[in-house]
Amino acid sequence: GAVVSQHPSRVICKSGTSVKIECRSLDFQATTMFWYRQFPKKSLMLMATSNEGSKATYEQGVEKDKFLINHASLTLSTLTVTSAHPEDSSFYICSARENTWNAGLEQYFGPGTRLTVT
Amino acid sequence: KQEVTQIPAALSVPEGENLVLNCSFTDSAIYNLQWFRQDPGKGLTSLLLIQSSQREQTSGRLNASLDKSSGRSTLYIAASQPGDSATYLCAVSRGDYKLSFGAGTTVTVRA
Repeated sequence: GAVVSQHPSRVICKSGTSVKIECRSLDFQATTMFWYRQFPKKSLMLMATSNEGSKATYEQGVEKDKFLINHASLTLSTLTVTSAHPEDSSFYICSARENTWNAGLEQYFGPGTRLTVT
Repeated sequence: KQEVTQIPAALSVPEGENLVLNCSFTDSAIYNLQWFRQDPGKGLTSLLLIQSSQREQTSGRLNASLDKSSGRSTLYIAASQPGDSATYLCAVSRGDYKLSFGAGTTVTVRA
């Protein structure tokens, strides 16, 4: 149980285009999902908290107009990188918490999406 | 702002040796601490979670300790195997479930 998927696993796009990454909780409902970005040999950096039915909360320094987050259902959050540039190339990982009264403290992570902008 | 540091950045040991991975954090007001494993190009697998009121957690060959007052945690992996080769990340959480990660320790276990 507690599986989180991401799609696509890899994507290559041209500079100036937009790309959408999906994060799904497969066997549980998630009111809250988190989006992280990871640079090579660096730690994961929290980008934003995605809340079902409301606007995402962005961390300081993250451009909300560039990284659009939509959490339309209890099992799906999407991250859209708009007008992508080579510096947006990175590994994007999402995580999710179960939406139950007895949910534990753990977050479950997706397998990540490798974005390359050429 | 919470800063999480992991030392060493990389570690190479022969099979069978015990592994000791260190994690330190600057703000001791944490809710819990987690250790994760990440294989190259993959997502994260949770290994152990220690709540702030606990001092250690054990799972099989893995044992993690937490000294909240000094801002330190140590992950011990007994009798290492080549399959233990991966990057190990520690992360601390506030009550809002946001995680602050260290940069990780990349472990290579030589057969």
